[in-house]
Amino acid sequence: GAGVSQSPSNKVTEKGKDVELRCDPISGHTALYWYRQSLGQGLEFLIYFQGNSAPDKSGLPSDRFSAERTGGSVSTLTIQRTQQEDSAVYLCASSLSIGVETQYFGPGTRLLVL
Amino acid sequence: RKEVEQDPGPFNVPEGATVAFNCTYSNSASQSFFWYRQDCRKEPKLLMSVYSSGNEDGRFTAQLNRASQYISLLIRDSKLSDSATYLCVVNIWGGADGLTFGKGTHLIIQP
Repeated sequence: GAGVSQSPSNKVTEKGKDVELRCDPISGHTALYWYRQSLGQGLEFLIYFQGNSAPDKSGLPSDRFSAERTGGSVSTLTIQRTQQEDSAVYLCASSLSIGVETQYFGPGTRLLVL
Repeated sequence: RKEVEQDPGPFNVPEGATVAFNCTYSNSASQSFFWYRQDCRKEPKLLMSVYSSGNEDGRFTAQLNRASQYISLLIRDSKLSDSATYLCVVNIWGGADGLTFGKGTHLIIQP
């Protein structure tokens, strides 16, 4: 079956602009996760959804970051007023549910803020 | 102190050799452990889970030492295709923070 898909695969934007990143999880997976990987760094957890609910948003780096998920499927991560330090690969993963720990990752969105 | 620590390498190893690397974690409440593999400019993919009793999958053996809070990965008869970054991952059961990833150990298998 289809894996996790993300779009766009690459995004170049100017500082101060808003960007929206999309993740389409594996069908039937109720848990969805967003991570960020900066160059030469490990993966940084941002937020997770169980269904449409995100119980803890404290992992988001600043209030410029927001995420939503509707219909228990597609999720969007929005970054407002982008800064150069937001440049990174944004990875989405899904799993059958929270507590089923095998997470399957999408190919990521490479964001470059000029 | 970082939650999950790994030697970043690179480990340069001749093809056919055996290579091992470790990872230490700081949170004793960590419940489950994994090794993920990440190829250059690709997403991480699960390599294997790590069980308390140790587990083996072909040429790969993973072990967990809870008392010392470290995890190991052993690769036997290394292949060129094993060249990748190996990420040590821990999960705190019930934690609201997904998986905690180490920064990875870069392995280069040389012909």
